[in-house]
Amino acid sequence: GAVVSQHPSWVICKSGTSVKIECRSLDFQATTMFWYRQFPKQSLMLMATSNEGSKATYEQGVEKDKFLINHASLTLSTLTVTSAHPEDSSFYICSARDTRGSLHEQYFGPGTRLTVT
Amino acid sequence: GDSVTQMEGPVTLSEEAFLTINCTYTATGYPSLFWYVQYPGEGLQLLLKATKADDKGSNKGFEATYRKETTSFHLEKGSVQVSDSAVYFCALSPLYNQGGKLIFGQGTELSVKP
Repeated sequence: GAVVSQHPSWVICKSGTSVKIECRSLDFQATTMFWYRQFPKQSLMLMATSNEGSKATYEQGVEKDKFLINHASLTLSTLTVTSAHPEDSSFYICSARDTRGSLHEQYFGPGTRLTVT
Repeated sequence: GDSVTQMEGPVTLSEEAFLTINCTYTATGYPSLFWYVQYPGEGLQLLLKATKADDKGSNKGFEATYRKETTSFHLEKGSVQVSDSAVYFCALSPLYNQGGKLIFGQGTELSVKP
């Protein structure tokens, strides 16, 4: 199947700083990517849908100015957590939608563990 | 709104035991239903899917049947192996959403002992 990578796999930052997480589709182009947040022992919560060349669509309750999403190319979407605080510590997962063929399956990255101190 | 509920884990089984992980959903109309698996240290992988009522998805010995009357999509496997140890997520894609949005259950951790 298709491969999606995330970088970094883990990051520790100080409170008040910003951190950028990259999501790349390695062997296919993705006009749509998704960003999820996963708390320990809990489900994946969809944060936003990232569309190449246009603004991201955020889910209700997700702060647009806090979680900046940029989908500048067909293989790369970035999530920037601005002015991070300890409550932003979480596991962030991206997925990319492969629209080749009829299945339009989503492929998931391995996730990025963010710890804000 | 649309939602997915899974049985709580962790589920611990001996090798070759029968597995059932319950999943029920709340949604408008006929959503598509999925099971994803997350092995330790890896991203989620699609295990199986069903797109309409009475469809049965199957893969790697796992099966799940789309039951509209009970709004369920329970995951089953007749004989589990140690390598099946992972976290399993039930998910739906709403009927009204053509962009691929997925709504996940909370995940069920499965541990299979030799």
